[in-house]
Amino acid sequence: DAKTTQPPSMDCAEGRAANLPCNHSTISGNEYVYWYRQIHSQGPQYIIHGLKNNETNEMASLIITEDRKSSTLILPHATLRDTAVYYCIVRVAGYGGSQGNLIFGKGTKLSVKP
Amino acid sequence: EPEVTQTPSHQVTQMGQEVILRCVPISNHLYFYWYRQILGQKVEFLVSFYNNEISEKSEIFDDQFSVERPDGSNFTLKIRSTKLEDSAMYFCASRPLAGGFTDTQYFGPGTRLTVL
Repeated sequence: DAKTTQPPSMDCAEGRAANLPCNHSTISGNEYVYWYRQIHSQGPQYIIHGLKNNETNEMASLIITEDRKSSTLILPHATLRDTAVYYCIVRVAGYGGSQGNLIFGKGTKLSVKP
Repeated sequence: EPEVTQTPSHQVTQMGQEVILRCVPISNHLYFYWYRQILGQKVEFLVSFYNNEISEKSEIFDDQFSVERPDGSNFTLKIRSTKLEDSAMYFCASRPLAGGFTDTQYFGPGTRLTVL
């Protein structure tokens, strides 16, 4: 089972920041927090990941609490094309032979409205 | 930007028939995966493949399923005798050799399998 808890749905106004929360209270010290999204029935798309420091890339920012028990994905200026299901996943980063298959939960369905 | 490709985009088959779903992972990637998503349900892990052998498989991946890397570019999922409940989207994913932060999995667009 997924080790994360996310709200089932959220709305966001176009142009505003979308803040998607995730709880992962049982996360282990060697587990990373990954975020993927799935637009309609397309393949999941990688967004960002982090271990304990906040991360930012061209798509989003990831804020991880100091105790690492929760995190927030921030889409700074949401557009209609950001409407998707967002998945928060914890997993061990693979080194050598470790495989680290992804365990998806139900995610958060983000609806960006005009 | 390199991407994972999958063919066909939609496959319709009769129950009991064999199907082969094809994937071309990103060229320098070494780990390969199959996932499936039944309509309206979660994305589920099926199998991972590394160094020409299965590394890990889920309970879903029973004897009816097999995977193969027949050449240097393709990665295939075969279902020997399809059942109605095999109807789903099947996603292939790949990732490079792990090291630092470079073990992100990249997914293909999926193959929609419909079993009649």
